[in-house]
Amino acid sequence: DTGVSQNPRHKITKRGQNVTFRCDPISEHNRLYWYRQTLGQGPEFLTYFQNEAQLEKSRLLSDRFSAERPKGSFSTLEIQRTEQGDSAMYLCASSFLNRKETQYFGPGTRLLVL
Amino acid sequence: DQQVKQNSPSLSVQEGRISILNCDYTNSMFDYFLWYKKYPAEGPTFLISISSIKDKNEDGRFTVFLNKSAKHLSLHIVPSQPGDSAVYFCAASAPSKLTFGKGITLSVRP
Repeated sequence: DTGVSQNPRHKITKRGQNVTFRCDPISEHNRLYWYRQTLGQGPEFLTYFQNEAQLEKSRLLSDRFSAERPKGSFSTLEIQRTEQGDSAMYLCASSFLNRKETQYFGPGTRLLVL
Repeated sequence: DQQVKQNSPSLSVQEGRISILNCDYTNSMFDYFLWYKKYPAEGPTFLISISSIKDKNEDGRFTVFLNKSAKHLSLHIVPSQPGDSAVYFCAASAPSKLTFGKGITLSVRP
C-alpha cells in the first residue's frame, strides 16, 4: 500500500492558462475526493467520485473546474483559464465505500497562479 | 457559516504533559468526527475518529471525547512528545464529505 499519490507536487502558471492535476488513490478504495486548502483555512470539499461516477460537486467548483475519474482508478482535476484566486493546495483523498468517513489524503499539489 | 470551529489558533505544552485540543460544531447531522495531523508541505494524516453514537475513543496516546449535547469534541494527547508538534484539524462527516475546522498549531516544548 503506497498511499495516495498526487502529481505534480508544485505548479506555477500564468493567469489564463489551463492546468491539470492527477491523483492516484489507494488501490482498493472505491471513493475519491478532491479538496482545496488556502492559507489559514482547513481543507474545503470540492467533489467526490464513487468508482467512475461523480456523485457530488461543491458550489466552490465553478464551471472552470472539471474533474474526471474515467476508469474508476486515477482522477484528474483540470482548471481552465486560471485566476490568481485559484492559488491553493489541492488535496486528493480516498476511502473504502463502507468506511467512507475515514479518508486518507495525498501530499497535495500546490498551485501558484501569477 | 462555519460548521466546525477550532477557536484557539495555537497551543504550547511541555513535553510529557497533556495536550487538549478543542473543537465545536453546529450541524447535528454529522455522523463521524475525525482528527487529522498535518506537517508543512504534506497532506493531512488521519489520527483518530469517533462515531456520533459514542462518547469516547482511545488509540494509544490519543483519546477523543465527544459531548453531543454541547456539540463539542476534544482530542487528548498523553504524554505529549516533541514529534507531536504540527497543525491539528478537527473534521466532521455528513455523510460523504468532510467539513474541516481551521486547525490549531500544537507546539510541544522539550
